[in-house]
Amino acid sequence: DADVTQTPRNRITKTGKRIMLECSQTKGHDRMYWYRQDPGLGLRLIYYSFDVKDINKGEISDGYSVSRQAQAKFSLSLESAIPNQTALYFCATSDRGQNPDTQYFGPGTRLTVL
Amino acid sequence: GIQVEQSPPDLILQEGANSTLRCNFSDSVNNLQWFHQNPWGQLINLFYIPSGTKQNGRLSATTVATERYSLLYISSSQTTDSGVYFCAGPWGTGRRALTFGSGTRLQVQP
Repeated sequence: DADVTQTPRNRITKTGKRIMLECSQTKGHDRMYWYRQDPGLGLRLIYYSFDVKDINKGEISDGYSVSRQAQAKFSLSLESAIPNQTALYFCATSDRGQNPDTQYFGPGTRLTVL
Repeated sequence: GIQVEQSPPDLILQEGANSTLRCNFSDSVNNLQWFHQNPWGQLINLFYIPSGTKQNGRLSATTVATERYSLLYISSSQTTDSGVYFCAGPWGTGRRALTFGSGTRLQVQP
């Protein structure tokens, strides 16, 4: 089984809809991240969390919110989706205790906003 | 935060050839990672290398922190090496999230 899973893997939605992307991990890591990737570009940081009570905005947090329901779960919400949020979304984890800062990525969620 | 620049943006190789990918960063780093994104979109961590040299099979990486660059070497390339290679450094100050370069797209032809 994959260590970092994301659901759904693909999602098509309409402008104005609220949607949630979910990330779960079995690696036991305390740190979790959400990134988005636009075609031809690198990843950009949306939000990150170093434990359940620690949530931080990243480079492009406007229009997004997150919830860290447990150490193993980190969800990303788009309150009112817009077409320029069409992108590939990645969740990642890292562990403060071992190989610090090495990040491990989920398979990604491809989101299309019509 | 730091800026990360990668070169070349695109690279086409014949199978068996060697290549060097470069990553320049605008400030000193305590966190520098290389990733490979395969054609199916999966991101795989290749190296965590804020300084020094590491090798993993046909891949090796060297970071010269004082000169603010890192190199990824691919030897005897195979078609499975195709994809996009990203370099990433620390985002923000004192935190461990990443900021990515725009990547080098590698195509290895048989």
